[in-house]
Amino acid sequence: SQTIHQWPATLVQPVGSPLSLECTVEGTSNPNLYWYRQAAGRGLQLLFYSVGIGQISSEVPQNLSASRPQDRQFILSSKKLLLSDSGFYLCAWDPGQGNQPQHFGDGTRLSIL
Amino acid sequence: AQKVTQAQTEISVVEKEDVTLDCVYETRDTTYYLFWYKQPPSGELVFLIRRNSFDEQNEISGRYSWNFQKSTSSFNFTITASQVVDSAVYFCALSLNTGGFKTIFGAGTRLFVKA
Repeated sequence: SQTIHQWPATLVQPVGSPLSLECTVEGTSNPNLYWYRQAAGRGLQLLFYSVGIGQISSEVPQNLSASRPQDRQFILSSKKLLLSDSGFYLCAWDPGQGNQPQHFGDGTRLSIL
Repeated sequence: AQKVTQAQTEISVVEKEDVTLDCVYETRDTTYYLFWYKQPPSGELVFLIRRNSFDEQNEISGRYSWNFQKSTSSFNFTITASQVVDSAVYFCALSLNTGGFKTIFGAGTRLFVKA
């Protein structure tokens, strides 16, 4: 069966520090991968999605970046965090056929001080 | 343009009441998929149901039911005899049948069920 792992579960970082959140999927190949952010009490904002290794689409301009160095690995990064980067970050995958639901990781709660 | 609107930001009901969560979508495509997800307080999103654009049959699963109406571009979700454990944020989502296309989520409706 397929599983998705996302870590860390919580993170507290100072403003201006770098960030690296990692997401891996097991039990499937060539998945679509997604990074979402959810501000407190708000909906899901799609940040990045990837349909294959090295293929990243950015949905909103920001100081975050994403990379997909391996088929089932998706990394969210920043060189310098801003206060506005605080939120709940969710990684998700789907088989890439449009008709299947997305499966989400447990999320990372990021607090910027 | 594709869009999903969940006009109800928050709903509060008392246990055993029925509650309907509204979802209205926009797309010009004729083939698309609609989803409902639940996000309990713990944070993870859980898939509830999928509907394709060619299947307008309503579906019932226990206390949950879904009403898909293409004429009004709506995919509403009803919880019958609500329970405290139903308290969560519920998201409606739209996906198009294009390879690699991202799913578009509504803003979510937060449901509070009081004992």
